[in-house]
Amino acid sequence: GDSVTQMEGPVTLSEEAFLTINCTYTATGYPSLFWYVQYPGEGLQLLLKATKADDKGSNKGFEATYRKETTSFHLEKGSVQVSDSAVYFCALRDESSASKIIFGSGTRLSIRP
Amino acid sequence: NAGVTQTPKFRVLKTGQSMTLLCAQDMNHEYMYWYRQDPGMGLRLIHYSVGEGTTAKGEVPDGYNVSRLKKQNFLLGLESAAPSQTSVYFCASSPQGAGSYNSPLHFGNGTRLTVT
Repeated sequence: GDSVTQMEGPVTLSEEAFLTINCTYTATGYPSLFWYVQYPGEGLQLLLKATKADDKGSNKGFEATYRKETTSFHLEKGSVQVSDSAVYFCALRDESSASKIIFGSGTRLSIRP
Repeated sequence: NAGVTQTPKFRVLKTGQSMTLLCAQDMNHEYMYWYRQDPGMGLRLIHYSVGEGTTAKGEVPDGYNVSRLKKQNFLLGLESAAPSQTSVYFCASSPQGAGSYNSPLHFGNGTRLTVT
């Protein structure tokens, strides 16, 4: 079945450091890919998405490129801020089963001032 | 614009008690979901619904029941709570239609449930 594997956390970085959180997936169809962010005490919210191969999603300085050849959707940011501290989830939604979304296990990110 | 609203926000139950969690969305979405989030486990799908009057089991449905009597509401019931059901519960919704798999889920802020 479909699955999402993302980088184990927690990840701790200093402010202004470069961030990469790895995400790889397996899917039988042609999924859309998503990154969600969860701030303390809140629900998940969409950070960015990409719906087909080579698409790049971007938002709030974060980027991720849909790489079909490596089945990856790594999240990057050039210069992180303390306010980026949160849990990040990679997810896919397969066109063959639009009623279901598969989530990765989440990566907790902490940024030191 | 409320989005997805969950009630209650917190609840403590004793083993064997029952309760219902309510999820309401005002975006006219067809699809609704209940997830639980446990430390180190990510999100696990309990039940979902693809429309009013329909429900289906997810990954971890045992011990839970759901109902979707109105399109905007999705109820999650625990008939006899167990300590293993201590968790944070999230409701989510998304639209249906062509290209719906491109659509993200919209989440509520969660219900933190403790069963003692």
